[in-house]
Amino acid sequence: DAGVIQSPRHEVTEMGQEVTLRCKPISGHDYLFWYRQTMMRGLELLIYFNNNVPIDDSGMPEDRFSAKMPNASFSTLKIQPSEPRDSAVYFCASSESSGASYEQYFGPGTRLTVT
Amino acid sequence: QKEVEQNSGPLSVPEGAIASLNCTYSDRGSQSFFWYRQYSGKSPELIMSIYSNGDKEDGRFTAQLNKASQYVSLLIRDSQPSDSATYLCAVNMRNAGGTSYGKLTFGQGTILTVHP
Repeated sequence: DAGVIQSPRHEVTEMGQEVTLRCKPISGHDYLFWYRQTMMRGLELLIYFNNNVPIDDSGMPEDRFSAKMPNASFSTLKIQPSEPRDSAVYFCASSESSGASYEQYFGPGTRLTVT
Repeated sequence: QKEVEQNSGPLSVPEGAIASLNCTYSDRGSQSFFWYRQYSGKSPELIMSIYSNGDKEDGRFTAQLNKASQYVSLLIRDSQPSDSATYLCAVNMRNAGGTSYGKLTFGQGTILTVHP
């Protein structure tokens, strides 16, 4: 299996620009998670989906952040407009609920730098 | 009180020693427990899952679970410099209705350094 795929791996943008991060979960997984990781705050859950439906977006920092999952094999996290404090590594992870194990597998991450 | 708490690090052990990483959690009804390893600049990697009380061994790694004490640990035997990483404890907790959220709650991580 290819694992969770994320793109781009690195993104450098200027403050005020729109940023779109992409994720392809592991085939057959019905949960998808978006995390943000910084040295100061550690690993934070932003939002997660079950069967393409957003279940909990309470971790989304503010209205500048939005996420979609139009189908079982693709999700996006968008930041508009971006700010320097959004600089972080963004991870996508997926899991399956069958067997109730909920083991999550992470993608390689997108390192975002907003200047 | 944090929902998932790990022993504060960093933890430094000599090569060949046993490294012991500890984690406590707040939800007594939690059923699934995980240890992730994260190398600097990389993503978290699942290394152990445990669901029942007792020990689970996989190579040099042993996960221990005590649900009565709400405690889960990871032992690394014969520690190697390549084990130097941040170790994250994660727990699948329940929602207010008593069913699983589907999400994992992560601890803050413990940095382990194994020195030659």
